[in-house]
Amino acid sequence: AQSVTQLGSHVSVSEGALVLLRCNYSSSVPPYLFWYVQYPNQGLQLLLKYTSAATLVKGINGFEAEFKKSETSFHLTKPSAHMSDAAEYFCAVSDHEKLTFGTGTRLTIIP
Amino acid sequence: DTGVSQDPRHKITKRGQNVTFRCDPISEHNRLYWYRQTLGQGPEFLTYFQNEAQLEKSRLLSDRFSAERPKGSFSTLEIQRTEQGDSAMYLCASSRVLDSSTDTQYFGPGTRLTVL
Repeated sequence: AQSVTQLGSHVSVSEGALVLLRCNYSSSVPPYLFWYVQYPNQGLQLLLKYTSAATLVKGINGFEAEFKKSETSFHLTKPSAHMSDAAEYFCAVSDHEKLTFGTGTRLTIIP
Repeated sequence: DTGVSQDPRHKITKRGQNVTFRCDPISEHNRLYWYRQTLGQGPEFLTYFQNEAQLEKSRLLSDRFSAERPKGSFSTLEIQRTEQGDSAMYLCASSRVLDSSTDTQYFGPGTRLTVL
């Protein structure tokens, strides 16, 4: 069985500030972990993925995430928020077949 | 590569009607997935195919739902006797899985279903 918990359904940060979106996972097998972004009325776009290689993963648009097995976490960060980062972000865990998603975090950027 | 495409993008129907959605995956992707996303929630897995074989179905997929991938390329998802609770975004994704390669799923734009 696998599950994902995203802490904070809404996060607001000022433009230029650090973005931190939290994700904790549970998996009975070594996990593959993903972050996806969803803009209104669109599908999901892959930001980055962890597949048991380097624990610090760099993705698109300046985002990165660090896999911490001891904390069962895969938090998403970006050093400096941009207005275009406003969207819904989903963390997901894969059992190499289906994805199990968290409930999402809506990121708002304050000008 | 062209991305995953879905048709239609929006569908409004009356309760009790049947609807069918189509998904065209990225070419040469052997796996195709269907997910359902309701307002304020993350996507939930419905079913997936490897080539033309349907390998897993979620318990969310009631007997009113049926999915096919007849030639291992495009897929259809049919909902019979729609209910208001079926209103959701239906997302399709595809991936290429070869031996132990990473199974990154790429998503289409979704079909938004509204049942009146």
